[in-house]
Amino acid sequence: IAGITQAPTSQILAAGRRMTLRCTQDMRHNAMYWYRQDLGLGLRLIHYSNTAGTTGKGEVPDGYSVSRANTDDFPLTLASAVPSQTSVYFCASSDSGTNTGELFFGEGSRLTVL
Amino acid sequence: GQNIDQPTEMTATEGAIVQINCTYQTSGFNGLFWYQQHAGEAPTFLSYNVLDGLEEKGRFSSFLSRSKGYSYLLLKELQMKDSASYLCAVMDSNYQLIWGAGTKLIIKP
Repeated sequence: IAGITQAPTSQILAAGRRMTLRCTQDMRHNAMYWYRQDLGLGLRLIHYSNTAGTTGKGEVPDGYSVSRANTDDFPLTLASAVPSQTSVYFCASSDSGTNTGELFFGEGSRLTVL
Repeated sequence: GQNIDQPTEMTATEGAIVQINCTYQTSGFNGLFWYQQHAGEAPTFLSYNVLDGLEEKGRFSSFLSRSKGYSYLLLKELQMKDSASYLCAVMDSNYQLIWGAGTKLIIKP
């Protein structure tokens, strides 16, 4: 693994189903983030974690949950998917949650909810 | 509210120079970032400005004026591979990044 790995890269999901997007990083960054990217809109922060064991809500957290059991993994769960959650999801990390470190992004997970 | 504005799309010619503008209104300021995103790929870091002035990095330069809430990304000697979206993002007083919708840059031969 080099950098940030997301899985799956693409998924079609029926509405009402539960889905977990996986994110793993090997850079030992303490801060991790989940964004969604929709056409015509900027990246929107869903949830973040400044360090293992802590998480916080971003701009659009409703319908999503996260956990940060260790430094490397930051999964995003949709408890009951709805069509408005159709989007491209990016996981990112940085070497600090509060300094000006650049973000490193995974390759994205394209989710379609029907 | 917080707002980042940048043009939706720009077109330029290979070998030329293009300037992509970004204006912002945010709750506090802790730096401005530019990212490049090729279609279907992840954003990658280009530049960071926290003080007024110009930061140069090869063919790319980024300028910041905090008093005007304004930045631009300057790309010189354009190459076809520069065709991408360019994302402007500002870190607010809570150290959260506020993102613009991105500028799609089309390079023509």
